[in-house]
Amino acid sequence: AQSVSQHNHHVILSEAASLELGCNYSYGGTVNLFWYVQYPGQHLQLLLKYFSGDPLVKGIKGFEAEFIKSKFSFNLRKPSVQWSDTAEYFCAASGGATNKLIFGTGTLLAVQP
Amino acid sequence: DARVTQTPRHKVTEMGQEVTMRCQPILGHNTVFWYRQTMMQGLELLAYFRNRAPLDDSGMPKDRFSAEMPDATLATLKIQPSEPRDSAVYFCASGPVEGRGNTIYFGEGSWLTVV
Repeated sequence: AQSVSQHNHHVILSEAASLELGCNYSYGGTVNLFWYVQYPGQHLQLLLKYFSGDPLVKGIKGFEAEFIKSKFSFNLRKPSVQWSDTAEYFCAASGGATNKLIFGTGTLLAVQP
Repeated sequence: DARVTQTPRHKVTEMGQEVTMRCQPILGHNTVFWYRQTMMQGLELLAYFRNRAPLDDSGMPKDRFSAEMPDATLATLKIQPSEPRDSAVYFCASGPVEGRGNTIYFGEGSWLTVV
């Protein structure tokens, strides 16, 4: 069955700390991978996506993610977080040419000033 | 700036009442999704349309929920009768013609509270 799992449910960091959020997927065939961010009280916004090519993907706001096929992973990283990065982060996947997204359970990130 | 528009933004209703949520997808997008977000279940896909035809509504409770696309500019999600456990944020999303790398865009959500 297709699934996306995020290992960290809650992460608390201080400003300027480095961030890595884990995401693993289970998908048959080709997979497209996404990270979305949801700021408090707002809708989901796309941070970055991978569908082919360079496995290191750079997104908005200084975020990046690396697709490691052998590990079925697509971890999100940021070298130095800011208070404004406090949000919930969702990893998502779709298969082949469909854009039907399956989401992970989300990781709530709190950045302390 | 193209966006997915959802109404109402907030709705408080009594148990047993009918609730209809509406979504206007981005013009030209031919795939439309309804997701439900709760603390306990996270983001669940309720229904998925392509070219106005329902492709997958396996995540939707059939006894009380229904989803339709009367035309290309309107998608509706109806709950009748509503129950307190339906309290959640309901997101509509739309995407362009399917293909690898295409992104879906989310509306701002309809925050439903059933008392």
